[in-house]
Amino acid sequence: LAKTTQPISMDSYEGQEVNITCSHNNIATNDYITWYQQFPSQGPRFIIQGYKTKVTNEVASLFIPADRKSSTLSLPRVSLSDTAVYYCLRAAGNKLTFGGGTRVLVKP
Amino acid sequence: DARVTQTPRHKVTEMGQEVTMRCQPILGHNTVFWYRQTMMQGLELLAYFRNRAPLDDSGMPKDRFSAEMPDATLATLKIQPSEPRDSAVYFCASGRYSGNTIYFGEGSWLTVV
Repeated sequence: LAKTTQPISMDSYEGQEVNITCSHNNIATNDYITWYQQFPSQGPRFIIQGYKTKVTNEVASLFIPADRKSSTLSLPRVSLSDTAVYYCLRAAGNKLTFGGGTRVLVKP
Repeated sequence: DARVTQTPRHKVTEMGQEVTMRCQPILGHNTVFWYRQTMMQGLELLAYFRNRAPLDDSGMPKDRFSAEMPDATLATLKIQPSEPRDSAVYFCASGRYSGNTIYFGEGSWLTVV
């Protein structure tokens, strides 16, 4: 049983905002939502984490509604270098189980 | 800038040979993970250590794979004997048990021919 569900792929263009929604209907009370980014030939890299409401950092924003059954990663004004796989995870600690992720392709 | 260091970065070996991959976790991190990534299976968790003790290695084929932490600065993943189906990228990651994030190394790219 998948812990999270997210689109397999998304295409976008430079300068646009990219929003990736992740479903986690069975999220537990202690779970945090964490997003990782993986470029080709590199290890996954932590980008943002939240519990509820909105979190923003220099890379992205994370929106989590009150019921916490979904979350949306927002990448503002993407560039070609944002082409990567983005993973949504839920976990109460740091033992992370990765799903298939969302392949984001940013086009010129 | 603290980071997880993995060696070797690339390894090509013949079927039946022993392969050892090494990982130096970030100083102060007390949890270490080994992941394997392939196109077909994605990122799979192989083993998980906390304070050098193995907590979960249920994702690891027991007959040929072994993982250890001889000390707090070194984790090893060994395959003996290696098979072509072991060809993959092996990632090590580390974190603090009290935290919710882990940090990955750049991976060891293994090809078994």
